[in-house]
Amino acid sequence: GQQLNQSPQSMFIQEGEDVSMNCTSSSIFNTWLWYKQEPGEGPVLLIALYKAGELTSNGRLTAQFGITRKDSFLNISASIPSDVGIYFCAGDSGNTGKLIFGQGTTLQVKP
Amino acid sequence: GAVVSQHPSRVICKSGTSVKIECRSLDFQATTMFWYRQFPKQSLMLMATSNEGSKATYEQGVEKDKFLINHASLTLSTLTVTSAHPEDSSFYICSTKSGHEQYFGPGTRLTVT
Repeated sequence: GQQLNQSPQSMFIQEGEDVSMNCTSSSIFNTWLWYKQEPGEGPVLLIALYKAGELTSNGRLTAQFGITRKDSFLNISASIPSDVGIYFCAGDSGNTGKLIFGQGTTLQVKP
Repeated sequence: GAVVSQHPSRVICKSGTSVKIECRSLDFQATTMFWYRQFPKQSLMLMATSNEGSKATYEQGVEKDKFLINHASLTLSTLTVTSAHPEDSSFYICSTKSGHEQYFGPGTRLTVT
């Protein structure tokens, strides 16, 4: 079945640093979504991408939908302690709403 | 984005009993909702698609007779874990689809003893 490979698995950075994480797939997706999940809570949607090559920002977050439609990245600039959490990419290949999730990137920020 | 609630937030039940989890779409009518399961330190895995007024569709490997889904109204879907076993202990999360975006509930932590 389809799989999303997300990397890195975890990151431990200093406050103020920039962060980059990405997801790749062997198959094409029509929609890429990036979520943040905090312990004991459901994922919260950060950015949604719909077109190949699309670059979208949400505050300090920027995400891009790869040209090949098989990858996406998320950047966080000037990290702050409240950025701590697990970030997931998710893809929808057929606009069915059936999301496939990456394995997650755990981000820790040292003040 | 859409607002989704779940009840209860956490539940402990004994092995062999059944437990019902509710998922509500608070600010729009959802003809389709989704149920995911997340084991500790793992990602979310889609279990089933809940369709208002019709049968749910289950992902491969998910037992439909064990995980009963009812979507009787446009704002409520329920997941009933029947004859629960300790291996069913997990974080169950529902979501609703609004356009191409998907919004998740806060999750229900199920512990089967």
